[in-house]
Amino acid sequence: GAGVSQSPSNKVTEKGKDVELRCDPISGHTALYWYRQSLGQGLEFLIYFQGNSAPDKSGLPSDRFSAERTGGSVSTLTIQRTQQEDSAVYLCASRRQGLGEQYFGPGTRLTVT
Amino acid sequence: AQSVAQPEDQVNVAEGNPLTVKCTYSVSGNPYLFWYVQYPNRGLQFLLKYITGDNLVKGSYGFEAEFNKSQTSFHLKKPSALVSDSALYFCAVRVNTGFQKLVFGTGTRLLVSP
Repeated sequence: GAGVSQSPSNKVTEKGKDVELRCDPISGHTALYWYRQSLGQGLEFLIYFQGNSAPDKSGLPSDRFSAERTGGSVSTLTIQRTQQEDSAVYLCASRRQGLGEQYFGPGTRLTVT
Repeated sequence: AQSVAQPEDQVNVAEGNPLTVKCTYSVSGNPYLFWYVQYPNRGLQFLLKYITGDNLVKGSYGFEAEFNKSQTSFHLKKPSALVSDSALYFCAVRVNTGFQKLVFGTGTRLLVSP
């Protein structure tokens, strides 16, 4: 079956520009997570969605970062006024209801020049 | 706070030999532990998990992991390594809240030589 998909796979942007990263979770998965993978920080949690609500935003590094989820499905992570330290791979994961494991997408590699 | 440690940045093993990738954890309450593998330019792939039950957990691609409560460890093992097992391996612990976010170790690069 279809896994988690993310787009774009690569994004190069200039410092100060806004970017949108998209995640399509596995159909029927109610939980959705965003993580960031960078050389200096490893894998770190950003935000969690249950349905369209985000009860845990504790990992968002600054108010330049925001995310939304619509229809209990697609999620968009938006980074405003990008900085070089935002360069990383942004990973999305989804999980079915219960104690299931998280399934990850291929990630979006963001490079801020 | 929950955390995991992967003490080895890299593990080298010859093809056909057994491999072990180490992970220790620190949790309050019952541990829920996971192993993921990442191939170059790919996302993380789930290998196996420990929730409860048998201490020896079997997973994908012939991997298994042994949960040891007294040593707070969850080492990943495989009896006979393949060159294709070369990848980055992450141990993770689930935070004991209703949100189930994962806290990852720093990763261990496994290099299997022919």
